[in-house]
Amino acid sequence: AQSVTQLGSHVSVSEGALVLLRCNYSSSVPPYLFWYVQYPNQGLQLLLKYTSAATLVKGINGFEAEFKKSETSFHLTKPSAHMSDAAEYFCAVRAGYGNKLVFGAGTILRVKS
Amino acid sequence: DTAVSQTPKYLVTQMGNDKSIKCEQNLGHDTMYWYKQDSKKFLKIMFSYNNKELIINETVPNRFSPKSPDKAHLNLHINSLELGDSAVYFCASTPSGGAGETQYFGPGTRLLVL
Repeated sequence: AQSVTQLGSHVSVSEGALVLLRCNYSSSVPPYLFWYVQYPNQGLQLLLKYTSAATLVKGINGFEAEFKKSETSFHLTKPSAHMSDAAEYFCAVRAGYGNKLVFGAGTILRVKS
Repeated sequence: DTAVSQTPKYLVTQMGNDKSIKCEQNLGHDTMYWYKQDSKKFLKIMFSYNNKELIINETVPNRFSPKSPDKAHLNLHINSLELGDSAVYFCASTPSGGAGETQYFGPGTRLLVL
């Protein structure tokens, strides 16, 4: 069964610093992987997705992620954090019949001024 | 021009009551989903419909019953509400349910059972 693991429930960075949020997946078939962001009291917004095309995926708001099959990873990065990036980030994998999303536990990103 | 909308946004009710949550999408999508986000922010699939046909029915108490009157609407009815049903319920939709398609989420319905 497909699953994802997000390492670190909380990540804190200074404004302007590199953001790195970690996601490792487990899948018996080539995975489709997604990163979503959730701001307080809001729904989920897609940041980017990997669908077996380019391994380096660029998303909205300056985020990107690299699919590494050898490491079963899909880590999310942003070169320079902004205060507005403070939110909760979810990694997800498409799984099974009906293509439901299986989510990781989420990582809360805090940006310090 | 909200793509995926849910009503109500907040719902506070007593244990034992029956309540419904409605979801509508104006994206012309064929597939819709219900997810539950618990107090620890963990998100889990509950149901999915494709063109009004139930295609995913996870291990959910049968007090929860989804209904899709047409492919633009997916409602969730909950009978005999329990304290543990308190959560945020998200509706999502996707064009045809294909593996690489983006799921578009609604704003959520925050249910509090007292």
